[in-house]
Amino acid sequence: EDQVTQSPEALRLQEGESSSLNCSYTVSGLRGLFWYRQDPGKGPEFLFTLYSAGEEKEKERLKATLTKKESFLHITAPKPEDSATYLCAVLRGTPLVFGKGTRLSVIA
Amino acid sequence: DARVTQTPRHKVTEMGQEVTMRCQPILGHNTVFWYRQTMMQGLELLAYFRNRAPLDDSGMPKDRFSAEMPDATLATLKIQPSEPRDSAVYFCASGLSLSVVNNEQFFGPGTRLTVL
Repeated sequence: EDQVTQSPEALRLQEGESSSLNCSYTVSGLRGLFWYRQDPGKGPEFLFTLYSAGEEKEKERLKATLTKKESFLHITAPKPEDSATYLCAVLRGTPLVFGKGTRLSVIA
Repeated sequence: DARVTQTPRHKVTEMGQEVTMRCQPILGHNTVFWYRQTMMQGLELLAYFRNRAPLDDSGMPKDRFSAEMPDATLATLKIQPSEPRDSAVYFCASGLSLSVVNNEQFFGPGTRLTVL
């Protein structure tokens, strides 16, 4: 069974304090790994797709990386507006399987 | 500004009542997904459609849940009869493809369902 595990469940950072979120997966034949951001009371919003180990993608203060067993979402010098729940999801042969997310709080 | 719309945004009902949630996917998108989100289980896929045809509804309790796409602009999710354990946020998402390329899904704002 495909499994996606995100850690930590919650993370509290000071503004400017860089850190990383982890998404580990057990999926045979991974075809893609996706990162989404979810603000309270809203639906998830797409951030990145990674297709193969070694791939990296960046968007503003966020950088996503992928290995054969996990993905990291690096947040550099975060700001309070980066506070949200970050979800990762994997695609094998069927639609996305989501992890439970990491709830990030950035304090000014 | 193309976006997925869902109605109602909030629904409070009593156990045993029928609940219908509606979704309007982004015009031109040919795949539609229904998800349920709870604190305990996270985001779970209930069913999905491609070109209005149901491809998989194995995530739904078949005895009480049903999902349909009467036309390309409307997807519905019904619960009959509803139970307290159905309380959750239900999301609809639409996209262009089930393949890896262009697999980005666009989510609606969700329907928060409370069953008393």
